[in-house]
Amino acid sequence: GAVVSQHPSWVICKSGTSVKIECRSLDFQATTMFWYRQFPKQSLMLMATSNEGSKATYEQGVEKDKFLINHASLTLSTLTVTSAHPEDSSFYICSAIPGQGIEETQYFGPGTRLLVL
Amino acid sequence: DAKTTQPPSMDCAEGRAANLPCNHSTISGNEYVYWYRQIHSQGPQYIIHGLKNNETNEMASLIITEDRKSSTLILPHATLRDTAVYYCIVRRNFGNEKLTFGTGTRLTIIP
Repeated sequence: GAVVSQHPSWVICKSGTSVKIECRSLDFQATTMFWYRQFPKQSLMLMATSNEGSKATYEQGVEKDKFLINHASLTLSTLTVTSAHPEDSSFYICSAIPGQGIEETQYFGPGTRLLVL
Repeated sequence: DAKTTQPPSMDCAEGRAANLPCNHSTISGNEYVYWYRQIHSQGPQYIIHGLKNNETNEMASLIITEDRKSSTLILPHATLRDTAVYYCIVRRNFGNEKLTFGTGTRLTIIP
């Protein structure tokens, strides 16, 4: 159980275009999902916390108008990188928390590698 | 969130137990110790977590000192597939609490 998927697994796009990444919880409902970014040889950095039915909470320094997050259902959150530029090339990873139990472990998706040319 | 300190790298012979240490001397009473690992080019994988008692699952064992200021993750019989970066993270166990990743320990299993 607790499987999180992402689509696509990798994407190449031209500078100036927008890219949408999907994060799905396959066997559980997730009221909270998180979006991380990881540059080569660096650790994961949290970008935003996504709550179903409400606006996402962005970490300091992350442009909310550039990284649009939509969490429209309990099993799906999307991250749209708008007007992508080469510096947005990175490994984007989502995570989700099953339910609202006492112990709430985050489970991660496999990641989406974005290359902006 | 409390910070953690881990050695940057470790080697372990295949088939031996891998013991990964973590210091979290400023941990609060309501913070859990979580361990994740990240194999190259993949998302992090949850391993185990605990509050104050030692924990064991099919992947690993977690030993937390009595004062909770440090812990050790034990992979009992390391295989080549255990080569990864291992992250020790402390976090309160509430819904929106984020995970703050440090630099972790790069564990290399030697054939």
